[in-house]
Amino acid sequence: GDSVTQMEGPVTLSEEAFLTINCTYTATGYPSLFWYVQYPGEGLQLLLKATKADDKGSNKGFEATYRKETTSFHLEKGSVQVSDSAVYFCALSISSSNTGKLIFGQGTTLQVKP
Amino acid sequence: SAVISQKPSRDICQRGTSLTIQCQVDSQVTMMFWYRQQPGQSLTLIATANQGSEATYESGFVIDKFPISRPNLTFSTLTVSNMSPEDSSIYLCSVDGQKSEAFFGQGTRLTVV
Repeated sequence: GDSVTQMEGPVTLSEEAFLTINCTYTATGYPSLFWYVQYPGEGLQLLLKATKADDKGSNKGFEATYRKETTSFHLEKGSVQVSDSAVYFCALSISSSNTGKLIFGQGTTLQVKP
Repeated sequence: SAVISQKPSRDICQRGTSLTIQCQVDSQVTMMFWYRQQPGQSLTLIATANQGSEATYESGFVIDKFPISRPNLTFSTLTVSNMSPEDSSIYLCSVDGQKSEAFFGQGTRLTVV
């Protein structure tokens, strides 16, 4: 079945370091891909998305490119801040008309130290 | 975007009891979704709630344990029945957005003792 695999955490970085969180997926159709972020004590927020191959989603300095050939959607940021400390979830939706039905990866905890 | 309000935000319940979680959206939506996030784990879809029909449950979840109501296009409830400590989780409501994205409520943090 469809699934999402993320790199294991926690990831601990110093402020201004480069961030990569790997995400790969398995899907029978043509999924839309998402990164969601969960800050401590808060709900999920959409960080960025890509709906077709080679699309690049970007927001708040984060980027991810939909790579169909490698079935990946890795999250990157050039210079992290302490305020980026959160749990990051990669997710996919296989239905363009039903994007509320999501399959999530296991989540990666990012801790940024000053 | 959609604004989703969930109640309660947290609760501590005795085993064997039931808790009903409410989800209110500020606009009419066709589908609403209920997820569970067990401690330290990812989100798992429990069911899809459609207005005017029975909810559609994912594998591993049954109506007797998680009955869902969807009386109109802006409201849904999820009941966690006959609770045990294993039901301690965050329960989240979400809705479809119009631009290929989902919006989530703040979640209900349930602890069963």
